Amino acid sequence: NAGVMQNPRHLVRRRGQEARLRCSPMKGHSHVYWYRQLPEEGLKFMVYLQKENIIDESGMPKERFSAEFPKEGPSILRIQQVVRGDSAAYFCASSLGNSYNEQFFGPGTRLTVL
Amino acid sequence: GENVEQHPSTLSVQEGDSAVIKCTYSDSASNYFPWYKQELGKRPQLIIDIRSNVGEKKDQRIAVTLNKTAKHFSLHITETQPEDSAVYFCAAASDRDDKIIFGKGTRLHILP
Repeated sequence: NAGVMQNPRHLVRRRGQEARLRCSPMKGHSHVYWYRQLPEEGLKFMVYLQKENIIDESGMPKERFSAEFPKEGPSILRIQQVVRGDSAAYFCASSLGNSYNEQFFGPGTRLTVL
Repeated sequence: GENVEQHPSTLSVQEGDSAVIKCTYSDSASNYFPWYKQELGKRPQLIIDIRSNVGEKKDQRIAVTLNKTAKHFSLHITETQPEDSAVYFCAAASDRDDKIIFGKGTRLHILP
């Protein structure tokens, strides 16, 4: 049973470009969470999705950031017109159900904005 | 919303000694408290969790305690080993919403 998969593992973008980060949850998991981790800092909640639904996006900036989890395929975190401050590690996690269930983390995507 | 504070931010202990990391939370509705370990360059992994219906839980060298009245919970690692060196995150969640709020982490160094 493969774990949570994320790709790409490393992504370099120039200011103003778009970054698209993908997350495939563990088999059987229908809940996906995205977190941002700045160097030497903790995991900041961004968004929680179930299939075809955004449940909670209170941690996601209103501008330039969007997320989806379509019926088929991986969850996508999209950052438009990236700026240097978007450089961070972006982790997704999946779980069977609500937060009482263990969240399994993917290996992360390290985004560098030049 | 929930706010989780974690102390200390950095902790160095001699190999074989015990390490204690402490967290506080603000939302009295929180009732699930997981702890994650993140090694350098790796993903966070759950090491132990505790629910609000118990005050203590132990798994080999790791134990967690919870004081709901004071809104405190702690991680205790005994007989520390070099492989315990990592960043540890506490977190809190409630069944009112389905997101886990993490503390800022404690970087634990095990000294030889």
